[in-house]
Amino acid sequence: GDSVVQTEGQVLPSEGDSLIVNCSYETTQYPSLFWYVQYPGEGPQLHLKAMKANDKGRNKGFEAMYRKETTSFHLEKDSVQESDSAVYFCALSATNRDDKIIFGKGTRLHILP
Amino acid sequence: DAMVIQNPRYQVTQFGKPVTLSCSQTLNHNVMYWYQQKSSQAPKLLFHYYDKDFNNEADTPDNFQSRRPNTSFCFLDIRSPGLGDAAMYLCATSRGQQGGNTEAFFGQGTRLTVV
Repeated sequence: GDSVVQTEGQVLPSEGDSLIVNCSYETTQYPSLFWYVQYPGEGPQLHLKAMKANDKGRNKGFEAMYRKETTSFHLEKDSVQESDSAVYFCALSATNRDDKIIFGKGTRLHILP
Repeated sequence: DAMVIQNPRYQVTQFGKPVTLSCSQTLNHNVMYWYQQKSSQAPKLLFHYYDKDFNNEADTPDNFQSRRPNTSFCFLDIRSPGLGDAAMYLCATSRGQQGGNTEAFFGQGTRLTVV
């Protein structure tokens, strides 16, 4: 079945560091890919998205490239800020499936001052 | 303005006592989802509706039921809550595949405590 695997656990960069959070997906269909961000006590909210291969999602300095050849959608940022601290979920929704959205296990990003 | 509204934000229920969580949306989206999220875990899909068509996940316990009386509202019924059902319950909506956009909009969640 469809699945998403992402960097697990906690990532602890310092403010100003560059960041990569890995995300790989598996599906036999043509997915839309998403990164959701979740702050404490709130529901996830869409952070960025890419609908087809070679699209790049962008938001607040974060980027993710939809790479079909490597089935990846890594989240990157050149210089993280303390306000970026949150839990990030990579997710997919597969075309021609039902309307399920499949989430990775989440990566907790804690930016050190 | 909130587009997916969940009530209540916090719910305390007794072990074995039926409880209902509610969700409403102002987006007129076709699809509504219920997810269960336990601490430090990913949201786990319980079921979803496309309009009135109900789709249950194979591993969703029978203890969990859902109703969608109209486009705007969806309810999650837990018939006999156990201690293991304590979690954040998230409602989400999307236009769905047929609507051309599967981006999901989440509510703020209802945190359920079972005592």
